[in-house]
Amino acid sequence: AQSVSQHNHHVILSEAASLELGCNYSYGGTVNLFWYVQYPGQHLQLLLKYFSGDPLVKGIKGFEAEFIKSKFSFNLRKPSVQWSDTAEYFCAVKGDTGNQFYFGTGTSLTVIP
Amino acid sequence: DAGITQSPRHKVTETGTPVTLRCHQTENHRYMYWYRQDPGHGLRLIHYSYGVKDTDKGEVSDGYSVSRSKTEDFLLTLESATSSQTSVYFCAISERQTNQPQHFGDGTRLSIL
Repeated sequence: AQSVSQHNHHVILSEAASLELGCNYSYGGTVNLFWYVQYPGQHLQLLLKYFSGDPLVKGIKGFEAEFIKSKFSFNLRKPSVQWSDTAEYFCAVKGDTGNQFYFGTGTSLTVIP
Repeated sequence: DAGITQSPRHKVTETGTPVTLRCHQTENHRYMYWYRQDPGHGLRLIHYSYGVKDTDKGEVSDGYSVSRSKTEDFLLTLESATSSQTSVYFCAISERQTNQPQHFGDGTRLSIL
């Protein structure tokens, strides 16, 4: 079975600091990778996705992620965070076969003004 | 935002009572999913559906049943609710193609006393 690990459970940053959230997955085949954001009290929203091509993917709100196949990683980055980025971030994986998405346990990001 | 409506949005009930949560979509997507979200566990798949009357179990299916009699509706039933089923429940939908993301509803906060 596939699994997803997000090692940072809670991250606290000051505004303008750079962000990198780790995501590692275990799956031997072709994967589709996603990052979602959940603002307090809201549903999950898609930040970005990767399924083929350029391993550096740009998403909404200035976020980007890099797929490193050899490391089974898909880390999320943002050069300069804002207070409004305070939210929970989830990495998700879906194999090229099967119908299930597998989510990490999430990283809670708090940005201090 | 995708057209996904979950009802009710909030519910408080007692142990042993039956509970049904509804997910309604207007996107005509083939796949529908029910997750529960709990602190420290992220999102865990309960059941999913890959078509009318076609459903399969997820990792935490015990105590839950589902039904999908129409493309647009996916019902989650707790036959006899227990306090361990207190959670936030999210419905998600996705298209047929494997590289397409899921879109989430606003969630149902269920408290079982």
